[in-house]
Amino acid sequence: SQQGEEDPQALSIQEGENATMNCSYKTSINNLQWYRQNSGRGLVHLILIRSNEREKHSGRLRVTLDTSKKSSSLLITASRAADTASYFCATPTGANSKLTFGKGITLSVRP
Amino acid sequence: NAGVTQTPKFRVLKTGQSMTLLCAQDMNHEYMYWYRQDPGMGLRLIHYSVGEGTTAKGEVPDGYNVSRLKKQNFLLGLESAAPSQTSVYFCASSFEGGYNEQFFGPGTRLTVL
Repeated sequence: SQQGEEDPQALSIQEGENATMNCSYKTSINNLQWYRQNSGRGLVHLILIRSNEREKHSGRLRVTLDTSKKSSSLLITASRAADTASYFCATPTGANSKLTFGKGITLSVRP
Repeated sequence: NAGVTQTPKFRVLKTGQSMTLLCAQDMNHEYMYWYRQDPGMGLRLIHYSVGEGTTAKGEVPDGYNVSRLKKQNFLLGLESAAPSQTSVYFCASSFEGGYNEQFFGPGTRLTVL
């Protein structure tokens, strides 16, 4: 069964707007990670938030984690055309030896 | 540092042929992973390794074999390729498994005719 599920599946916004993406998971986790994938490329790690953290920032990225609701959100502020990509959340499984990825969110930022 | 590299970048096989995909990392990571990515299916784990000489099955291991003879290399083999194995394959590595980030290679696009 899927551990992390992203929502929405696709998002289209105008440049300069904020983009919010959500991830829900099923079991207790040590941390939750967000990755970006540009078309035709490998995934790139964006941010890791640990289970004892509620919010984390990295540049224009803001990630929150609500362990009581088993959910996380990724906010990209002041989006740019270059933010167009697929975004994945991932959570540790298998005694924290591996990650399980969601199916991803396709973000399109219109110039 | 090259990070994670994969060879080849593209390959076309006929049904029944065999091939090996090579993944190399220069970060001294213990953990290495092979994924396949198909449209609408996200990233699915094929096999992984928690250290030199170890391998373990992931979510979709059938039809694939792996070896980790050296810490820096992780090989993925297809003994008898099938059209269902047409996919993009990604290798990744991490220092401490699910406790920290994974670094991904650029991918290998495989087509099986």
